[in-house]
Parts: sequence; C-alpha cells; structure tokens
Amino acid sequence: AQRVTQPEKLLSVFKGAPVELKCNYSYSGSPELFWYVQYSRQRLQLLLRHISRESIKGFTADLNKGETSFHLKKPFAQEEDSAMYYCALNLGGYSTLTFGKGTMLLVSP
Amino acid sequence: IAGITQAPTSQILAAGRRMTLRCTQDMRHNAMYWYRQDLGLGLRLIHYSNTAGTTGKGEVPDGYSVSRANTDDFPLTLASAVPSQTSVYFCASSDSGDGELFFGEGSRLTVL
Repeated sequence: AQRVTQPEKLLSVFKGAPVELKCNYSYSGSPELFWYVQYSRQRLQLLLRHISRESIKGFTADLNKGETSFHLKKPFAQEEDSAMYYCALNLGGYSTLTFGKGTMLLVSP
Repeated sequence: IAGITQAPTSQILAAGRRMTLRCTQDMRHNAMYWYRQDLGLGLRLIHYSNTAGTTGKGEVPDGYSVSRANTDDFPLTLASAVPSQTSVYFCASSDSGDGELFFGEGSRLTVL
C-alpha cells in the first residue's frame, strides 16, 4: 500500500507565484515526515522535517494529522527552486524512509 | 569533504552478469541504505543496515544482496542482472536515526 502520495508529477509556476507541493500519508502511528530536494546535478538532500517546524529557503510545511497531509509551501517561487521534491515518511527506527514518487517543480521567469 | 562515494558512476551490463555497486562513507555513520530511483516510481528502499554486521530488507529486495562487514562500506550485489534492474541506484547513510539521510551521487546502471 502506498504510504506517501504526491499527486502531482509536475508543477509549473511563474517566478513570484505561490507554490504548494502536496503530500499525503497513510500511517496509523505518530508520523515523522520530511521533504527532500534534488537540484539538477546535485545530490538528494534534506530540505526540512516536520519536527523542527522551521523555514528553509522560504519553504514551510505543516503536519496536518486530521487531513494526513504535509504539504510544502512557499509564498513566492524563485527560479532556483526548480528541482525534484520528495516527501518521505519514517516508518520505523533508524531512518528507513518511505518516499513518495516525487514532484518536479519548474519555476519559469 | 567526500561523505558518500559510489562507484561506478555509470555502467552498461549484459543480462545475466554479476555486478557489485560500491558505496563507501567517511562519516562513521551507523546506518546505511540502498535505494533505486525510477521515473514515475520515486525512490524505493532495497536493503538497509542499521549497524556493521547487520542488514535488513527494504521494499524491493529481490535480486539484490548486501553485506556490511565494517562501518564504512556497504556494497550492493546483483547476482544475475535483469533488464528490470535498469535504474539509478543511490546509497545513503544516517548517523542519528532522525530521518536525515546523506546521499551519494548515484550509480546509473543499464542492463541490456
């Protein structure tokens, strides 16, 4: 069963527009959720985690247990935000993460 | 800073051949992982190791084996490659188990 769902394969926006990358999860326990990002020709890296409730590069994500969602948001997209974004769920101990299928974000000038 | 080093970067392999993808880390992380990345399927966990001497199966372990003889190395072996194993393979490590994985640059494998 798919534990992490990212419904959009591709999201295309113009520079300065708001961005929301959707992520829904299925997990009966207390979830640990993350967003990872892969920029062109760079390694996959952690963007943010729900526990820290921080803003990284202008992105935020709030865990909504009622809607089982962890959407990634940014009020004003920049061209350098263009990348592949993965939502991930830690199912058990020691970071055995389950990833969604990813959403490619393209920000046009 | 090397972090995670994978080799080879790219490889074309005939079906039926044996192949080992190498992964080495210099961060002394306890846990290591192998994922495959496929278009439309995202990243899927193949095998993992929580500490040297132990390994576990992920979501898609069939056709793959791993070993963890020491902290630094975590090779992934395809005993008899098949075309469906054509993919980009990522090795990763984690120290604290807090969900932060450090990834290698990936190994692109094509099985013909």
